[in-house]
Amino acid sequence: NAGVTQTPKFQVLKTGQSMTLQCAQDMNHNSMYWYRQDPGMGLRLIYYSASEGTTDKGEVPNGYNVSRLNKREFSLRLESAAPSQTSVYFCASSGGARGYTFGSGTRLTVV
Amino acid sequence: DQQVKQNSPSLSVQEGRISILNCDYTNSMFDYFLWYKKYPAEGPTFLISISSIKDKNEDGRFTVFLNKSAKHLSLHIVPSQPGDSAVYFCAAPAGGTSYGKLTFGQGTILTVHP
Repeated sequence: NAGVTQTPKFQVLKTGQSMTLQCAQDMNHNSMYWYRQDPGMGLRLIYYSASEGTTDKGEVPNGYNVSRLNKREFSLRLESAAPSQTSVYFCASSGGARGYTFGSGTRLTVV
Repeated sequence: DQQVKQNSPSLSVQEGRISILNCDYTNSMFDYFLWYKKYPAEGPTFLISISSIKDKNEDGRFTVFLNKSAKHLSLHIVPSQPGDSAVYFCAAPAGGTSYGKLTFGQGTILTVHP
């Protein structure tokens, strides 16, 4: 099925460890996004990529980096994980009147 | 600065009754709004949208109303079903179309009791 695929689905990190969250879409969308969801905070934009080769900061970019590897793939990297980065992370792409298509999320716990 | 606000964290209704979920916004430049539905362990999925040139949009059991003067929109679900139990987010794109960066509200957890 066409859509947005995120890996991994779950991850536990120790403080200071690094990891990369992977995201790929097969809908030929130009724009891709990374959001985090925290209780009572809704979905907050971390980084986005309006098109291949471009990336921009969102509302909460500190502690994260991104790479738009090609039109399909947009990865999110935590260089030195902190407990405050415990969250559920969603990747999304957009290209139509329905707004975003989201992946199923990555639940990250930093201990 | 929370530009899109959902002030009710949760809502509980009986099956068959109406559910009304509310959303307020502060940015008068917003002219397109979307509602997303999210089940546990899944990503949000698109539910319904409305353009500011309309004050109502209906899709089956779901109707969204927009009051531009009050900067307020609401989602009505009639009749509510247990399968509607989920988190509902309202959202608005920065660019005034469905393609832009979306700003989301905090979400409202809807529970529909059988």
